[in-house]
Amino acid sequence: DAGVIQSPRHEVTEMGQEVTLRCKPISGHNSLFWYRQTMMRGLELLIYFNNNVPIDDSGMPEDRFSAKMPNASFSTLKIQPSEPRDSAVYFCASSLSLRSGEQYFGPGTRLTVT
Amino acid sequence: AQSVTQLDSQVPVFEEAPVELRCNYSSSVSVYLFWYVQYPNQGLQLLLKYLSGSTLVKGINGFEAEFNKSQTSFHLRKPSVHISDTAEYFCAVSDPASSYKLIFGSGTRLLVRP
Repeated sequence: DAGVIQSPRHEVTEMGQEVTLRCKPISGHNSLFWYRQTMMRGLELLIYFNNNVPIDDSGMPEDRFSAKMPNASFSTLKIQPSEPRDSAVYFCASSLSLRSGEQYFGPGTRLTVT
Repeated sequence: AQSVTQLDSQVPVFEEAPVELRCNYSSSVSVYLFWYVQYPNQGLQLLLKYLSGSTLVKGINGFEAEFNKSQTSFHLRKPSVHISDTAEYFCAVSDPASSYKLIFGSGTRLLVRP
């Protein structure tokens, strides 16, 4: 299995621009999670889906952030407009189910907003 | 709310020495416990997990952890470390009775010196 796939791996953009991060979970996994990692705040859960349905988005920092999962094999995290404080590494993770507990992480997207 | 405390931000150790990375959690209910490792510029990889049963859990790369309910701890140990074990280690907890969200500690950087 290819594991969780994220694209792009690196993104540099200017403040005010729209940014879209993409994730393909492991085939057969029903739960998908978006995390953000920074030096100051560590790993933060932004939102997670179960069977393509958003379950908890309480970690999404602002309305500028949105996430979708149109089907079982694809999810996006969008930031519009982006700000320098959004600079971080964004990870996507998937798990067989919520009950399985074990999450498999992608390699991350390093976002830099200038 | 659940929380995870990793008191040591960095642990330096010489190669082939034993190491223990500490993790304490706060929860009054049954929990799932995990240790993840993050190598530079990579995503998180599961080292081991405790869901139920034996309190001594063995994981990959020679690591093990012991669940201690009375002390609410889940310390990670390895009897002899290698240079290649240099990485960031994260303890995480989830509540199987409710949201299954993973709550991560702040991480411990293990620095193995020759």
